[in-house]
Amino acid sequence: AQSVSQHNHHVILSEAASLELGCNYSYGGTVNLFWYVQYPGQHLQLLLKYFSGDPLVKGIKGFEAEFIKSKFSFNLRKPSVQWSDTAEYFCAVNAGQAAGNKLTFGGGTRVLVKP
Amino acid sequence: EAQVTQNPRYLITVTGKKLTVTCSQNMNHEYMSWYRQDPGLGLRQIYYSMNVEVTDKGDVPEGYKVSRKEKRNFPLILESPSPNQTSLYFCASTLITGTGGSEQFFGPGTRLTVL
Repeated sequence: AQSVSQHNHHVILSEAASLELGCNYSYGGTVNLFWYVQYPGQHLQLLLKYFSGDPLVKGIKGFEAEFIKSKFSFNLRKPSVQWSDTAEYFCAVNAGQAAGNKLTFGGGTRVLVKP
Repeated sequence: EAQVTQNPRYLITVTGKKLTVTCSQNMNHEYMSWYRQDPGLGLRQIYYSMNVEVTDKGDVPEGYKVSRKEKRNFPLILESPSPNQTSLYFCASTLITGTGGSEQFFGPGTRLTVL
């Protein structure tokens, strides 16, 4: 069965600092990878996704993520955060039809950006 | 506009009083699922449906039922709610891509409190 772990539960940053959130998954086959963001009181929004091709994926709001297959990782990065990036971030893995198209989430990382 | 809708958005109820949370999608997707979100645990799949009249258990199905009588609707039923089912619930509709990948579209969420 696939699983996803996010290393940091809480991250506190100042504006303009760089952000990197770790995500590791366990599944031996082909996967689709996602990062979702949930702003306070809102529902999940897709930040970016990786299906195949270039392992460096660019998403919305200046976020990017790099898929490193050998490390089973899909870390999220943003060079310079803003106060409005305060949110909870979820990494998710989908192993496709072989695993019933189930999306498995990490436990989430709460990010607080101080103005 | 392509969307997933859930109702109600907020619900406070008492132990043992049957309730139904509705979910509807207008994207003609075959695959739909229900998740619950709890602090530190991310989102966990409750049930999923691969097509009309085809449903199966996810990771945390105890205490829940679902039905899929038509493609667009996938209601979640709590026959006898208990306080440990207090949570934030998300319905999702899945687009299966031609390359074997998939992408999930989430509803706005239903915050349920069971007293």
